Amino acid sequence: KAGVTQTPRYLIKTRGQQVTLSCSPISGHRSVSWYQQTPGQGLQFLFEYFSETQRNKGNFPGRFSGRQFSNSRSEMNVSTLELGDSALYLCASSSVHRGYTEAFFGQGTRLTVV
Amino acid sequence: AQRVTQPEKLLSVFKGAPVELKCNYSYSGSPELFWYVQYSRQRLQLLLRHISRESIKGFTADLNKGETSFHLKKPFAQEEDSAMYYCALNNQGGKLIFGQGTELSVKP
Repeated sequence: KAGVTQTPRYLIKTRGQQVTLSCSPISGHRSVSWYQQTPGQGLQFLFEYFSETQRNKGNFPGRFSGRQFSNSRSEMNVSTLELGDSALYLCASSSVHRGYTEAFFGQGTRLTVV
Repeated sequence: AQRVTQPEKLLSVFKGAPVELKCNYSYSGSPELFWYVQYSRQRLQLLLRHISRESIKGFTADLNKGETSFHLKKPFAQEEDSAMYYCALNNQGGKLIFGQGTELSVKP
């Protein structure tokens, strides 16, 4: 079974630009979540999509948005990039197994804003 | 508010010594708790989940609802255990709340 795939692996963008990150979940998983990982703040939840609907949302500004397609693939968009958006963005796909949720993570997209 | 606290940023032990990585949580309800591990240059991966009460790579973790803790333990640390360890709480479906992480360094 293929794991969670995130593309691209690395990105360098300029302040003010926008960026789109992509995540392909494990086949059969309908939930996709996004996290931001930074040395200072650790792992912070951005949002979760389930069956094309946003089910949960973290405390990030509206510049951060996402969507999920009918095949469960998800994209995350950040508009008007700021230097502080430099981070590793992780995607996780989840399934419920025997009554509990198990999340599988991708390798992440390293975003650098200059 | 739901919160996960890992009080130690860095834990350094010698090979063969016992290890305990601390995790405390705040949650109103029945928590679903996990330990995730991130080895150098590898993706974050699930190590343990409280509900299965299993031992993985010699690690165990017991949920103590009275103390709201879910500490990770191993009786004899190995060098290959060196990694970042994250305690996480499942809050509403696919939303995980992570602690700040503890870097475990096992010295030879």
